[in-house]
Amino acid sequence: QKEVEQNSGPLSVPEGAIASLNCTYSDRGSQSFFWYRQYSGKSPELIMFIYSNGDKEDGRFTAQLNKASQYVSLLIRDSQPSDSATYLCAVMPGSARQLTFGSGTQLTVLP
Amino acid sequence: DAGVTQSPTHLIKTRGQQVTLRCSPISGHKSVSWYQQVLGQGPQFIFQYYEKEERGRGNFPDRFSARQFPNYSSELNVNALLLGDSALYLCASSPGTRQETQYFGPGTRLLVL
Repeated sequence: QKEVEQNSGPLSVPEGAIASLNCTYSDRGSQSFFWYRQYSGKSPELIMFIYSNGDKEDGRFTAQLNKASQYVSLLIRDSQPSDSATYLCAVMPGSARQLTFGSGTQLTVLP
Repeated sequence: DAGVTQSPTHLIKTRGQQVTLRCSPISGHKSVSWYQQVLGQGPQFIFQYYEKEERGRGNFPDRFSARQFPNYSSELNVNALLLGDSALYLCASSPGTRQETQYFGPGTRLLVL
């Protein structure tokens, strides 16, 4: 079982729709959770981080964390073509300070 | 403020050669982490350094080594290059305190022929 799992996609949504990206993790001791966006040929760019159960909103982005279910998600409202990228879920175990990444979900927003 | 910088941006080497990649963290950040990203996968953790001390090591062979300098910049060295070492090498900067959010540099793309 992979430590961090994401649906590789590709996920396609029409412009203006809500894109929902999901991630599960295996280490129950994980404390910190991150979403990065990576455009083709570029490096990962931090979008959001979340530490506590519940929702965290930042502009069009909402991160949701459920530690009991070991599940973290990212919602992108009013999706734009410029949101088309690979979204990486990353988890920081409680015992260490390095990131464990999923394989990423490729999102395409159709004009 | 300048972000994380890495050099070189691209590099072509042949099997068996050695390579050194360089990274300068965000001003005020004391921790540097190195990741390897092969095509189609998420980044894989290689090393983390804080205050010149190794704070973590991923599952990579001893051909990989790193160090951090007093100004918090860092170098990643890879010896005896293999074709499978072709990847994007990412440096991430973090404050080194309880706030461990990591910010990535542009990466060095290494091609081993």
